[in-house]
Amino acid sequence: EAGVTQFPSHSVIEKGQTVTLRCDPISGHDNLYWYRRVMGKEIKFLLHFVKESKQDESGMPNNRFLAERTGGTYSTLKVQPAELEDSGVYFCASSQPGVYQETQYFGPGTRLLVL
Amino acid sequence: AQSVTQLDSHVSVSEGTPVLLRCNYSSSYSPSLFWYVQHPNKGLQLLLKYTSAATLVKGINGFEAEFKKSETSFHLTKPSAHMSDAAEYFCVVSDARAAAGNKLTFGGGTRVLVKP
Repeated sequence: EAGVTQFPSHSVIEKGQTVTLRCDPISGHDNLYWYRRVMGKEIKFLLHFVKESKQDESGMPNNRFLAERTGGTYSTLKVQPAELEDSGVYFCASSQPGVYQETQYFGPGTRLLVL
Repeated sequence: AQSVTQLDSHVSVSEGTPVLLRCNYSSSYSPSLFWYVQHPNKGLQLLLKYTSAATLVKGINGFEAEFKKSETSFHLTKPSAHMSDAAEYFCVVSDARAAAGNKLTFGGGTRVLVKP
């Protein structure tokens, strides 16, 4: 069974540009999460989808970030316009629906560098 | 509110010697606790998780962790380090009550260096 995949693995953009990150969860996993680790900091929660609905977006830093999950399958996270402080590693995770004390399975992350 | 403190940002051990990674947590409710590992250029891999059953949890690759409620600790140990254990380790907490899926709170990570 394929794991969580993320694309691209690396992205280098200039301040002010737009970048879109993609996450493909494990098939059948309704829960999809985005997390971020900026340099020297802890990994932080960004948001949580259940199927195509945003369950919790309390971790989204500001309105420059837009996450979507059309059709409840893959998800995209767009940053527009990107700022220097957006640099970091963006992780996606997925888990099975309705499982008590679920385990989240992580992708390899997208390393974003904003210059 | 939840928080996790990993007491060591870096740990250096010799191959074949024990590994101890320390983690303290704070949670308003009964927590679920996890250890994840990240090898260079890889994703986060689950080592083990505590879900209110046995307090001593065995994971993959010879790792285990003990939940101590009185000390609010969940330290990770391995009797004998292997070169392949060199990685970054994360202690993670979540609210065990939220059956609909919930966010994880991460510690700052501990980088493990294994010397030959």
